Amino acid sequence: KAGVTQTPRYLIKTRGQQVTLSCSPISGHRSVSWYQQTPGQGLQFLFEYFSETQRNKGNFPGRFSGRQFSNSRSEMNVSTLELGDSALYLCASRGQGYGETQYFGPGTRLLVL
Amino acid sequence: AQSVAQPEDQVNVAEGNPLTVKCTYSVSGNPYLFWYVQYPNRGLQFLLKYITGDNLVKGSYGFEAEFNKSQTSFHLKKPSALVSDSALYFCAVRDVNYGGSQGNLIFGKGTKLSVKP
Repeated sequence: KAGVTQTPRYLIKTRGQQVTLSCSPISGHRSVSWYQQTPGQGLQFLFEYFSETQRNKGNFPGRFSGRQFSNSRSEMNVSTLELGDSALYLCASRGQGYGETQYFGPGTRLLVL
Repeated sequence: AQSVAQPEDQVNVAEGNPLTVKCTYSVSGNPYLFWYVQYPNRGLQFLLKYITGDNLVKGSYGFEAEFNKSQTSFHLKKPSALVSDSALYFCAVRDVNYGGSQGNLIFGKGTKLSVKP
C-alpha cells in the first residue's frame, strides 16, 4: 500500500496570509490526525478527523481548522499566519480498532516570514 | 493527565555497542505505547508498539522495547548500534480519555541518538 502523502512539502508565506495543507491517508484508513512540530514545543496534536467529522481537537487557536472529505483525504487551514506558525506539519492516518498504529506522512515544512 | 517523559536529550553510543533510549509514562488505565524514529527533514517512522501481552516487544530494524509496569517505563533497546541508527527518537502514549474514542498520541520531547564509528 502507498503511504501517507502530504502536499506541498515546502511552503513560504508571509504574516497575515492563509495556507491550506493537504493529506492523503493510507488506503482504507478513515482516521486522519494532524500534528505540529516545532523545536520549542515538540510534537503537538492539532485535531483528528474520522468519517468527515472532527473527533478530537488539541489546544490551538481557532485560526487552525481542518476538514475531511468523503474519500478520507484531509486538509488543514491556517488563517492569519503568524511567525510562530512556522513548523513542520505532520499528518497521520490509522485504521480502526484499539491499538491501531498511526502512520505518518513526510510532513509539510511551513515558513512564515 | 497522561504524559510521556524522555529524560535524555541526547544519547551517544559507539557503533557495535548496545543502546538504550529511555521513556517513562504516566497514564490512567492501560497504556498504549509507541516508539517512532525521525530522520532529518522526514516524517515519523513507526518502530514498535506495546498494547498488551509480552513485555518485550520486537520491532523494525532490530529494535526492541521492554514494557515495565511497576516502573512505568518503556525503554527502547538495540543490542548492536549502527551509525545509520543516528536519528531523533520519540516515545508516545495514546490518549484514551476522549469519551471512549481512540484518542491522539502524546509525544515525549524526543531523544537524539548519535552513533559514532
